[in-house]
Amino acid sequence: NAGVTQTPKFQVLKTGQSMTLQCAQDMNHEYMSWYRQDPGMGLRLIHYSVGAGITDQGEVPNGYNVSRSTTEDFPLRLLSAAPSQTSVYFCASSETLPGLNEKLFFGSGTQLSVL
Amino acid sequence: SQQGEEDPQALSIQEGENATMNCSYKTSINNLQWYRQNSGRGLVHLILIRSNEREKHSGRLRVTLDTSKKSSSLLITASRAADTASYFCATDSNAGKSTFGDGTTLTVKP
Repeated sequence: NAGVTQTPKFQVLKTGQSMTLQCAQDMNHEYMSWYRQDPGMGLRLIHYSVGAGITDQGEVPNGYNVSRSTTEDFPLRLLSAAPSQTSVYFCASSETLPGLNEKLFFGSGTQLSVL
Repeated sequence: SQQGEEDPQALSIQEGENATMNCSYKTSINNLQWYRQNSGRGLVHLILIRSNEREKHSGRLRVTLDTSKKSSSLLITASRAADTASYFCATDSNAGKSTFGDGTTLTVKP
């Protein structure tokens, strides 16, 4: 199994551009989430989904959109990129809610720079 | 704000020594998990401890949880150079959100 796959690994954008970060998992997990990690810091939750068709906001949702049309995919869209969105983005999944004693599986990350 | 806060921020030890890092949190939790991150990589799950557990072991890892003090500790015994990484605690509630601390960066010198 591939686990959680994120693409692209690196991306450079200009301010105002839009793009979509892709995330796919092949473990039939119901729960998926997006985090951003700034240098020297922990992960902050952007958006999460508890199943296909259901999404909710995390700690830092502004400037990002998500959708969950299938169990496998959970893309993250940057509507109009800003330098403050320069960060490393991680997608994670788990079988059910982490609060139900489920561990998260992480992708390898997307390093995004906004100039 | 972050739910979990680890200390110390950085820890440097010699191979063979034990490494202890701590995590404090603010609100009630269902469980607490520890993750490891090697430089430039994603996080990897190490161990989960439920709110009704006080101590858990996994190989060279020992985790304790004190819900009255809202704190947890991760002990790595007989550390190896390969243990060099950042370690994060994550707290989980029923709300579907895992909240991470800022991590402890561990350097194990050979």
